[in-house]
Parts: sequence; structure tokens; C-alpha cells
Amino acid sequence: RKEVEQDPGPFNVPEGATVAFNCTYSNSASQSFFWYRQDCRKEPKLLMSVYSSGNEDGRFTAQLNRASQYISLLIRDSKLSDSATYLCVVSRGGTSYGKLTFGQGTILTVHP
Amino acid sequence: EAQVTQNPRYLITVTGKKLTVTCSQNMNHEYMSWYRQDPGLGLRQIYYSMNVEVTDKGDVPEGYKVSRKEKRNFPLILESPSPNQTSLYFCASSPPGPYEQYFGPGTRLTVT
Repeated sequence: RKEVEQDPGPFNVPEGATVAFNCTYSNSASQSFFWYRQDCRKEPKLLMSVYSSGNEDGRFTAQLNRASQYISLLIRDSKLSDSATYLCVVSRGGTSYGKLTFGQGTILTVHP
Repeated sequence: EAQVTQNPRYLITVTGKKLTVTCSQNMNHEYMSWYRQDPGLGLRQIYYSMNVEVTDKGDVPEGYKVSRKEKRNFPLILESPSPNQTSLYFCASSPPGPYEQYFGPGTRLTVT
């Protein structure tokens, strides 16, 4: 079983739709969680960190469920510019914070 | 401008010919890391460094070497490249702790 698993999609949604991605992780020692966005053939960029209490940034909401070991990302009112690959990232934290594991990514295409 | 730079951006080489991909950051970050990205496998960590002279293996270190003699530089060395090392390589840096990683633009390597 992969340490971090995502549904690769692709998700094809119309503008204005709400779309949700899930990610599961297998290592219960994981401490830090992130969502990164990657445009085609470009470098990944941080979208948001994920906190236990959940957090929201504009149209984006991230949730963490430690008991079930999954992370989610909700995008409301999708824009064409949201089309990208979304990467779930998990870190062991503590002295192992440098050890990052990426999911394989979920492809989102938003169409007019 | 705060950035991570990689050189070269594109490289085609032959099996067995030693090569070095350079990575440099100007943000005074302690942490640096190398990843490779392959279709269907996502980003996988090769090596990371928590500080000068401190390096650790990631998930796929075989066939690679790194060194961290200065804070700003973290070169990736392929002593004897093989075709299975054909990939897109990213370098990243961050402050110590579970913070945002800043990625370089990527190096596309082809080994024939």
C-alpha cells in the first residue's frame, strides 16, 4: 500500500462547480499535511497547509481527519484557472520533518 | 528575488557519463531536497538535507549522490546514469520545520 494515496482522476467539472478531493495516508506518525498545486510541467507550489481544526482560504477548504487518516480539499465555485494537478503531501514531523511523501496527484480540469 | 535555481534545465546524456545538476537558493534556508517526478508515480524524494553537512536518504536514493558543503547549494550527482534515471527532477528548499517548500523550475533529464 502506498504511504499517500489520491484518486488520480481526472476530474472534469464545469465552471462554478464544487469539487472535492480526498487523500489517505498510512503512517499514523505523520504530523504535517499540505496541499500543493502543480501546473503542467511546472514546479509544485503550496496551496495550503492542513490543520487539525480545518482551514479555509477563500474558495478552498482543507480538512484533516486523524482518526481515519485522510485529508480532503474542497474547491467551491471552480474557475478555469483552477485546472491543475493537486498534490497531497505528508510529513512525519519532529526531527523527521524533512521526510516528505507526495501523493501521485489528482488532475482537475475546469471547462467553460 | 527569492528563488531556487537549477541548472541545466534540460539535459540529454548517455549511459555511464557522470553528470551533476546544480541547485542554489538565495533565501538562507536550512532545508533542501531533491525529488524526481515520473508519470503515474508522482514526486518521490531522493535525498534531503536539514543543514550544511547533514544529508539523509529519501525514498529513492539509489544511483544518486548529494553533498551540502554550503548552505545555498545542494548539487545532485549521478555517477553513472542509466536510462531508468530519465525523469523530471526538482530541487526544493524551506526554513527548518514543516513549512512551505519552494521548488526550483525543474531539470528534465534524458539518459539514452
